[in-house]
Amino acid sequence: GQNIDQPTEMTATEGAIVQINCTYQTSGFNGLFWYQQHAGEAPTFLSYNVLDGLEEKGRFSSFLSRSKGYSYLLLKELQMKDSASYLCAVMDSNYQLIWGAGTKLIIKP
Amino acid sequence: GAVVSQHPSWVICKSGTSVKIECRSLDFQATTMFWYRQFPKQSLMLMATSNEGSKATYEQGVEKDKFLINHASLTLSTLTVTSAHPEDSSFYICSAREMDSGAAEAFFGQGTRLTVV
Repeated sequence: GQNIDQPTEMTATEGAIVQINCTYQTSGFNGLFWYQQHAGEAPTFLSYNVLDGLEEKGRFSSFLSRSKGYSYLLLKELQMKDSASYLCAVMDSNYQLIWGAGTKLIIKP
Repeated sequence: GAVVSQHPSWVICKSGTSVKIECRSLDFQATTMFWYRQFPKQSLMLMATSNEGSKATYEQGVEKDKFLINHASLTLSTLTVTSAHPEDSSFYICSAREMDSGAAEAFFGQGTRLTVV
């Protein structure tokens, strides 16, 4: 079966760095996405990785290792507004998105 | 980035009535749109894949006669919840991909919060 695993909840301090991990087992692989979702709102796109390595975009970076079925989202200089759920999604061989359950990130002052 | 507009943002309806939700791609052509529902504190669950000019493909367990999907043009897909019941209360979200651009990113509508009373 297809499976995406990510921690349910994480807590971090304002100004610090946090890494959210995602492991996956899917039927084929056509890229991995990270989305941010604030409560009551639709997800917003953060990053897309299809090749191994690190993609940096401002305070957010995303890493992918296809051989390990592993990705992480790194958030630096955390701000209170970063409190949200972070969803990992993998596009399978049929170009369908398989979603993780999301990681709720709580930022404390 | 591309914009997907979903309407209405929220709706309250009486049990037994039908509700239509619209999803429009404003500045690109979306040959395929996706409809999701999301219960509180849970991840997105794909309901159906909507292809322009053809019948939608429903996920297992989703009643196609209850959740009517129409994708009449390259920029508009609609989801109609027929004979709604309180258990249909949920957050419904559409997304679309700009298939011809080579980009893989999915753009989401704002979501529709449906409450059936």
